[in-house]
Amino acid sequence: EIVLTQSPATLSLSPGERATLSCRASQSVSSYLAWYQQKPGQAPRLLIYDASNRATGIPARFSGSGSGTDFTLTISSLEPEDFALYYCHQHSNWPHTFGGGTKVEIK
Amino acid sequence: EVQLVESGGGLVQPGGSLRLSCAASGFTFSSHWMSWLRQAPGKGLEWVAHTNQDGSQKYYVDSVKGRFTISRDNAKNSLYLQMNSLRADDTAVYYCARAMASNSNYWGQGTLVTVSS
Repeated sequence: EIVLTQSPATLSLSPGERATLSCRASQSVSSYLAWYQQKPGQAPRLLIYDASNRATGIPARFSGSGSGTDFTLTISSLEPEDFALYYCHQHSNWPHTFGGGTKVEIK
Repeated sequence: EVQLVESGGGLVQPGGSLRLSCAASGFTFSSHWMSWLRQAPGKGLEWVAHTNQDGSQKYYVDSVKGRFTISRDNAKNSLYLQMNSLRADDTAVYYCARAMASNSNYWGQGTLVTVSS
């Protein structure tokens, strides 16, 4: 099973600041990596698929990069609605797995 | 408008069974892989099972193999998860999702399954 390790566990930032979230895979997942955002009481929402492609309707301030084992989700300038939980997810190998999540909280 | 509506959750005793349903609308159900995922209270996400467009391919996470069965009825635009031999660690919100990790991804709002005596 491929283990995804997200860091940091919590990111404390102010609106307008840049957020950089990391996801590291225990073995290569090529570009088969996605990022999801989840707010309390809501289902997750896809932000990025195939490592760097923004999903439909996702603002341009969200960007993804990386391949192989190291991936990054960047939020260029945090908006109030961006404070949430973020998960990375690999679908290279079964079982498909998720990282433990990074909470982006207001500083 | 795309909609996925889960139902069938509730309180069940350890060793019991439940059947979850997911009613799909607003898109061509038979064109998409469909998945069940779950999230234990206060925990992260776990992919439980998924099936291809005609139901001929099915994949399960090891922890549910032999206990859970995913199925679909394309004529009824519905996805199902039959859960048997339920355990306390199956307690979670169960989500139905379309086309995971693709630009067609969409999630339902989830249904809570609680396994407790």
